[in-house]
Amino acid sequence: GAVVSQHPSWVICKSGTSVKIECRSLDFQATTMFWYRQFPKQSLMLMATSNEGSKATYEQGVEKDKFLINHASLTLSTLTVTSAHPEDSSFYICSARLGGNEKLFFGSGTQLSVL
Amino acid sequence: QQQVKQSPQSLIVQKGGIPIINCAYENTAFDYFPWYQQFPGKGPALLIAIRPDVSEKKEGRFTISFNKSAKQFSLHIMDSQPGDSATYFCAASTTGNQFYFGTGTSLTVIP
Repeated sequence: GAVVSQHPSWVICKSGTSVKIECRSLDFQATTMFWYRQFPKQSLMLMATSNEGSKATYEQGVEKDKFLINHASLTLSTLTVTSAHPEDSSFYICSARLGGNEKLFFGSGTQLSVL
Repeated sequence: QQQVKQSPQSLIVQKGGIPIINCAYENTAFDYFPWYQQFPGKGPALLIAIRPDVSEKKEGRFTISFNKSAKQFSLHIMDSQPGDSATYFCAASTTGNQFYFGTGTSLTVIP
């Protein structure tokens, strides 16, 4: 299957700092990428849909100024958690759709811990 | 509103058993139904998927059964192994649109 690379795998930061997470589609061009948040033993919560070259579409309740998403190329999307606080600690996962295909491939996730 | 309902929440089977995980949906416009497997600390991995024009799809030890009239689909794992212990998510989508995920099933296969 297609490969989606996500970095870093885990990050620990101090409250008030910003953290950037990268998501790359390694062997295909992804016109659409999705960002999810997952709490322990819970399902995936869609945060935003990222389309290459345009502004991300955020789900209701997700602060766009706090979770900055950039999809500058067909193979790279980034999520920046700005001014992180302990309540932002979570497992963040990106995914990419294979072109017009329906298949969705996930990155390996990033565990964020904000102290 | 939960677009896709998944059950059970957790499941324990003996090695060699056949765990069955069920999902139900309401939106008849959904045309793609994948199952994902997730290990702790990892992202979900696509396991198998089905479209509503077939009633069953089999890949290795994994089988999806699909009942269009009942708006239900299920995952069967034949000859389950301890290595199959993971969380399984069903999902549904319409082509080109977002995916809606079930709440997940934690499967434990006892040696």
